[in-house]
Amino acid sequence: DGGITQSPKYLFRKEGQNVTLSCEQNLNHDAMYWYRQDPGQGLRLIYYSQIVNDFQKGDIAEGYSVSREKKESFPLTVTSAQKNPTAFYLCASNQGNNSPLHFGNGTRLTVT
Amino acid sequence: KNEVEQSPQNLTAQEGEFITINCSYSVGISALHWLQQHPGGGIVSLFMLSSGKKKHGRLIATINIQEKHSSLHITASHPRDSAVYICAVEGSQGNLIFGKGTKLSVKP
Repeated sequence: DGGITQSPKYLFRKEGQNVTLSCEQNLNHDAMYWYRQDPGQGLRLIYYSQIVNDFQKGDIAEGYSVSREKKESFPLTVTSAQKNPTAFYLCASNQGNNSPLHFGNGTRLTVT
Repeated sequence: KNEVEQSPQNLTAQEGEFITINCSYSVGISALHWLQQHPGGGIVSLFMLSSGKKKHGRLIATINIQEKHSSLHITASHPRDSAVYICAVEGSQGNLIFGKGTKLSVKP
């Protein structure tokens, strides 16, 4: 079955460490997205990529980095520069504008 | 004021009740998405619509472009419908703005 896989489901890190969240899709989608979800807030866009080897900053890109070397993979690195990294991170993909979004099951990152 | 407002924030219903969740938005859109987030965190796309009405099983979504308003209805609600329902509007550039979600709890 096609879908999006995020791993791991739970991740714990010490403050000051970089951490990379994995996102893989086998839907052959061109566009991929990373969102952050905090309690009581709507999803906020961190980075998105509409094509391989290209990506753009979203609304809250500071302290994060991404790469898109392969169509199916869009890893997100949470760097030590991110002031409040503890959150639930969701990866999504679609075929482009005005098409349904497919989401992964999310990674809950806790930084202490 | 948020660009996407959902109401109510929380909703408790008895099994079998008809449920309505509302979404109002203040920006021009090319499409509106209804999403369902399960307690484990995974999100499923329920509907994407730009006009009129769509139905899938017990779920119905409507949109009124002139009034900038959409509703999600659930008929014959069931405890398994308990989830957070999220409205998201899509701008002409493909950018998405998400509501904060409506937490639905259906009691047996």
